[in-house]
Amino acid sequence: AQSVAQPEDQVNVAEGNPLTVKCTYSVSGNPYLFWYVQYPNRGLQFLLKYITGDNLVKGSYGFEAEFNKSQTSFHLKKPSALVSDSALYFCAVRPPVNFNKFYFGSGTKLNVKP
Amino acid sequence: GAVVSQHPSRVICKSGTSVKIECRSLDFQATTMFWYRQFPKQSLMLMATSNEGSKATYEQGVEKDKFLINHASLTLSTLTVTSAHPEDSSFYICSARDLRTMNTEAFFGQGTRLTVV
Repeated sequence: AQSVAQPEDQVNVAEGNPLTVKCTYSVSGNPYLFWYVQYPNRGLQFLLKYITGDNLVKGSYGFEAEFNKSQTSFHLKKPSALVSDSALYFCAVRPPVNFNKFYFGSGTKLNVKP
Repeated sequence: GAVVSQHPSRVICKSGTSVKIECRSLDFQATTMFWYRQFPKQSLMLMATSNEGSKATYEQGVEKDKFLINHASLTLSTLTVTSAHPEDSSFYICSARDLRTMNTEAFFGQGTRLTVV
């Protein structure tokens, strides 16, 4: 079965410190991996994706994510957090056998304190 | 990126009435759109896949007679919640893929907060 896990419901970090939001997946084959961010009462905004190539992908707003095939992980990172980064973050996977289907993690609430 | 517009952003309706939510791809064509439901502090649950010109494909456990989906054109899909009840109150989000570029990511609407009183 396809699945995505975000083990942390909430991540707290001080402004200016680096942040990491964790994601692991269980998908057959070579999946496409995504991160989305959601602000209150809004839809999801695309941050970045991994398809193939370099394991470190850079995305919007200074975010990046590292694909680790052996650990089946795709953790989201940012070197220096901003208060405005506080939001709900979702990891998503699209399996190669069904490109129309997205599997979302449970979401991680990021709190960046000034 | 491509823009997906969802309307209305908020709606309050009485129990027993029906509510229609629209999802439009503004600057691209999408033969396939997706409808999700999100409960507070939870992830997105795929309800159905909306295919232009054909019947929608519903996920297991989603009542197709309760949640009517119509995808009449390449830029518009609608979700109608029929005979709404308070337990239908939720955040509904649509998404679509841009077929011209075959971009791998999906683009999401801003969501609709439905409250049934």
